Amino acid sequence: NAGVTQTPKFQVLKTGQSMTLQCAQDMNHNSMYWYRQDPGMGLRLIYYSASEGTTDKGEVPNGYNVSRLNKREFSLRLESAAPSQTSVYFCASSEVMGSGNTIYFGEGSWLTVV
Amino acid sequence: GQSLEQPSEVTAVEGAIVQINCTYQTSGFYGLSWYQQHDGGAPTFLSYNALDGLEETGRFSSFLSRSDSYGYLLLQELQMKDSASYFCAVRLFSGAGSYQLTFGKGTKLSVIP
Repeated sequence: NAGVTQTPKFQVLKTGQSMTLQCAQDMNHNSMYWYRQDPGMGLRLIYYSASEGTTDKGEVPNGYNVSRLNKREFSLRLESAAPSQTSVYFCASSEVMGSGNTIYFGEGSWLTVV
Repeated sequence: GQSLEQPSEVTAVEGAIVQINCTYQTSGFYGLSWYQQHDGGAPTFLSYNALDGLEETGRFSSFLSRSDSYGYLLLQELQMKDSASYFCAVRLFSGAGSYQLTFGKGTKLSVIP
């Protein structure tokens, strides 16, 4: 089992460029999430998908879009990258969103916007 | 609004016990989780408290007092490998049968010989 796999691991973008972060989980989880982590800010929820076919905004959704492609895959898109989006992005998944189930994180994607 | 407060840094000696506190102000609270993150790594789950009291998992214990909006993570017999950041996170009801996990800013624990 690979768990949660996200790509790319590192990316440098120019301001205004677009890109998509890919995420896939092989644990048959229903819920998936995208977080960003900035120094001293902890983990902040960007978007989540409680179940296949649904997506909702989290704490910091501006500048991002998501697609729950199927039960396994949840992608995050930056349409026009800005330096403020320089961050480490974590995809995560859990069996069900409405319980104390563990959230499993991917290894992170380091994104720099210049 | 919602807020979680935890100390930014803690230093402790190898073999000792350390307690990392977390206080929260939220609505729709359902439980408190703790995650560990080593530098450059992914956060990993440590514990979850939905009810008041102490939960023990090996060297780690977690406590919750819902009436005080307070919890803590207790690490015993500290080892050098416990040097990491520790995040408390509250599980909040966000409507329509779904929940969100909101994280604190993290406590960087340094274990010294």
